Amino acid sequence: EDQVTQSPEALRLQEGESSSLNCSYTVSGLRGLFWYRQDPGKGPEFLFTLYSAGEEKEKERLKATLTKKESFLHITAPKPEDSATYLCAVQEGGNYGQNFVFGPGTRLSVLP
Amino acid sequence: GAVVSQHPSRVICKSGTSVKIECRSLDFQATTMFWYRQFPKQSLMLMATSNEGSKATYEQGVEKDKFLINHASLTLSTLTVTSAHPEDSSFYICSARGRGGPPDTQYFGPGTRLTVL
Repeated sequence: EDQVTQSPEALRLQEGESSSLNCSYTVSGLRGLFWYRQDPGKGPEFLFTLYSAGEEKEKERLKATLTKKESFLHITAPKPEDSATYLCAVQEGGNYGQNFVFGPGTRLSVLP
Repeated sequence: GAVVSQHPSRVICKSGTSVKIECRSLDFQATTMFWYRQFPKQSLMLMATSNEGSKATYEQGVEKDKFLINHASLTLSTLTVTSAHPEDSSFYICSARGRGGPPDTQYFGPGTRLTVL
């Protein structure tokens, strides 16, 4: 059974304090790993798609990396507006159209 | 690009009534749309997947007669919660996947907060 776990469950950082969020997965074959940001009461906002081990993507203060078993979302010098829940989702390889399996999310709070 | 809208954003209804939620892809053709529900402080739970012009595929435990899904066009899918009850109160979110952009990426709508009294 496909599983996606995220750690930590919650993370509190001071503004400017860099850190990383983890997404670990077990699937028979990874088609893609997706990172989203979700603010309270809103739908998830797409951040990155990663397809193969060694791949990296960057956007402003965020950088996502992928290995064969996990992905990291690095946050460099975070600001209070980075506070949100960060979700990762994996899609199993094989048939096109396989659904996402979402992790439980990491709630990030960045204090000024 | 890749904007998905939902309407209404919030709805309050009495027990026993039906509620329809619309999901639209505004700037791309959505070959597949997904419906999720999310309880407070929990992650997204997939309810069903619909392809344009086809019947929706429901996840195990989701009653297809209660949650009616119609994907009539490449830009519109609707979810109707029939005879809603208080336990159906939740945050419903749709997503769309289509042509253009990173393959397989789902773009989410802003969600609809349903409260059944």
